[in-house]
Amino acid sequence: GEDVEQSLFLSVREGDSSVINCTYTDSSSTYLYWYKQEPGAGLQLLTYIFSNMDMKQDQRLTVLLNKKDKHLSLRIADTQTGDSAIYFCAEKDSGYALNFGKGTSLLVTP
Amino acid sequence: GAGVSQSPSNKVTEKGKDVELRCDPISGHTALYWYRQRLGQGLEFLIYFQGNSAPDKSGLPSDRFSAERTGESVSTLTIQRTQQEDSAVYLCASSLAVGRTYNEQFFGPGTRLTVL
Repeated sequence: GEDVEQSLFLSVREGDSSVINCTYTDSSSTYLYWYKQEPGAGLQLLTYIFSNMDMKQDQRLTVLLNKKDKHLSLRIADTQTGDSAIYFCAEKDSGYALNFGKGTSLLVTP
Repeated sequence: GAGVSQSPSNKVTEKGKDVELRCDPISGHTALYWYRQRLGQGLEFLIYFQGNSAPDKSGLPSDRFSAERTGESVSTLTIQRTQQEDSAVYLCASSLAVGRTYNEQFFGPGTRLTVL
């Protein structure tokens, strides 16, 4: 399948902003997603963006999409310790399955 | 139900044994997906169902893997003659439909399979 790449680890201090980056190779991606996985839990959809959008904001979350560079980012404002989790970037083309990155482990320290 | 449920939550088996993993999707969701998550890896797509049909089985890693779905509801993923490389978390997801438009996939908590 097409590649989705993420950095594996990010550490931030509580109250700071977190930025998690993702690159993908499939130019036919129609939707791009950010999922959150907490220990022992399933994946929870945080937000998604349609490929004809540049930005989407939802409370503390801001998604930026640079379609030319195939770069997606998730910014979490005022990061809290409860935001510590693994964040997965995923893309969907015209098919049915999601193509996931390996996930970024976010550690928020007090 | 309120969400996607999977059972068992943990399964430890010996190499060579068969295992069955179960997924109960959200009621009314016609599409169901199985993914595998190996340690430190992203999710690997295995198979999806539209209703009770699985149009594309090419994601299954080998012929030891099979899946079925009945009544447009429960699905079972069966792994025969398990190998150590089958150790992973197996995640199930469901969505209202399969298609080109946005269809949020809701994930279950997964079954952690350990093959000794």
